[in-house]
Amino acid sequence: NAGVTQTPKFQVLKTGQSMTLQCAQDMNHNSMYWYRQDPGMGLRLIYYSASEGTTDKGEVPNGYNVSRLNKREFSLRLESAAPSQTSVYFCASRADRADGELFFGEGSRLTVL
Amino acid sequence: SQKIEQNSEALNIQEGKTATLTCNYTNYSPAYLQWYRQDPGRGPVFLLLIRENEKEKRKERLKVTFDTTLKQSLFHITASQPADSATYLCALLTSGGYQKVTFGTGTKLQVIP
Repeated sequence: NAGVTQTPKFQVLKTGQSMTLQCAQDMNHNSMYWYRQDPGMGLRLIYYSASEGTTDKGEVPNGYNVSRLNKREFSLRLESAAPSQTSVYFCASRADRADGELFFGEGSRLTVL
Repeated sequence: SQKIEQNSEALNIQEGKTATLTCNYTNYSPAYLQWYRQDPGRGPVFLLLIRENEKEKRKERLKVTFDTTLKQSLFHITASQPADSATYLCALLTSGGYQKVTFGTGTKLQVIP
């Protein structure tokens, strides 16, 4: 049982380049999330999707776009990467209950030079 | 503005003692509060959930309390072991927008043999 799978695990970009982080879950959850984690800042919500076809901004959405391609997949796109987007990115899906817990992927470490 | 703070960035404790971690929040009315464990290089893993109408929850050596008057949750690990060393994160879910899950900054616990 894979749970939540993120790709790539590591990526180095130059300023201005674009890339897409992929995320897929096999638990049939409706809700999916993208967070970034920086030292001393905890996990900050970038975007989330309550169901297929819907997305909402989180705390730090600027510079990012998302696509909920289907129920399984939720991708995060950086159109023009900036050094401030150097971070570890985590995708998660959530159990379909009001108090449902998050299931996280292993993270994608992105460096923007 | 809304804020979730965990008492300290790092906490060192002797093996066998009880570790107590704090999660304080302002300008939130959480319906649910969750605690997660994160090991280096891994995604967070769900540990415990407590609801706003519950004062205390236990699971093996873990205990969580929730005081909505003080706007605080305490997370206790009794008889701590070196294997408990990790970063612990609290997360809040509100009843209205419960799809949005907001995390605290995390506390790095080190249990010293």
